[in-house]
Amino acid sequence: IAGITQAPTSQILAAGRRMTLRCTQDMRHNAMYWYRQDLGLGLRLIHYSNTAGTTGKGEVPDGYSVSRANTDDFPLTLASAVPSQTSVYFCASSVAGGPGDTQYFGPGTRLTVL
Amino acid sequence: AQSVTQPDIHITVSEGASLELRCNYSYGATPYLFWYVQSPGQGLQLLLKYFSGDTLVQGIKGFEAEFKRSQSSFNLRKPSVHWSDAAEYFCAVGAVGAQKLVFGQGTRLTINP
Repeated sequence: IAGITQAPTSQILAAGRRMTLRCTQDMRHNAMYWYRQDLGLGLRLIHYSNTAGTTGKGEVPDGYSVSRANTDDFPLTLASAVPSQTSVYFCASSVAGGPGDTQYFGPGTRLTVL
Repeated sequence: AQSVTQPDIHITVSEGASLELRCNYSYGATPYLFWYVQSPGQGLQLLLKYFSGDTLVQGIKGFEAEFKRSQSSFNLRKPSVHWSDAAEYFCAVGAVGAQKLVFGQGTRLTINP
């Protein structure tokens, strides 16, 4: 079934550790996104990529980095995790990255930083 | 900057009752507007979206939304809710530039049997 997969499903991490959240899509979408979801704040964009080889910063990029080596994969890295990065992280993709595009979401990764 | 406000954090309705979830947006041009639904423990799924044309938009699962430019609103409605509609609902505006899709805070819907 076509869609987006995220790994891990959940993770508990010690502060200061490095962590990479994985995201893979098989819909051949050009654009991909990472959001974090926090209670009362909705979803906020961390980073995005309009096409392989390019990335951009969203609303809350500090402490996070991304890469887009190919169309399918868009990993999110926390270089040195802090407790404020405890959140649910969603990866999404869309055909072209325009403001009217429908975004398709993965099931999420629940991350707890202690 | 673009913004979306969902005034109701939590709404409870009885099964079979009608539903209206409110959404107000702030955007300088004609917006792209979306409603997404998130079932417990799941990712988000698109219910419907609007950009132009008929201001009453039909979506999946019997939902509809009406765009009212004069009120900067895009309220979601359903004539008769089912227990399976219990979920969190997010309104969003599609924005050019770095913000991309800007989400409201979400409205959690509980259905009483």
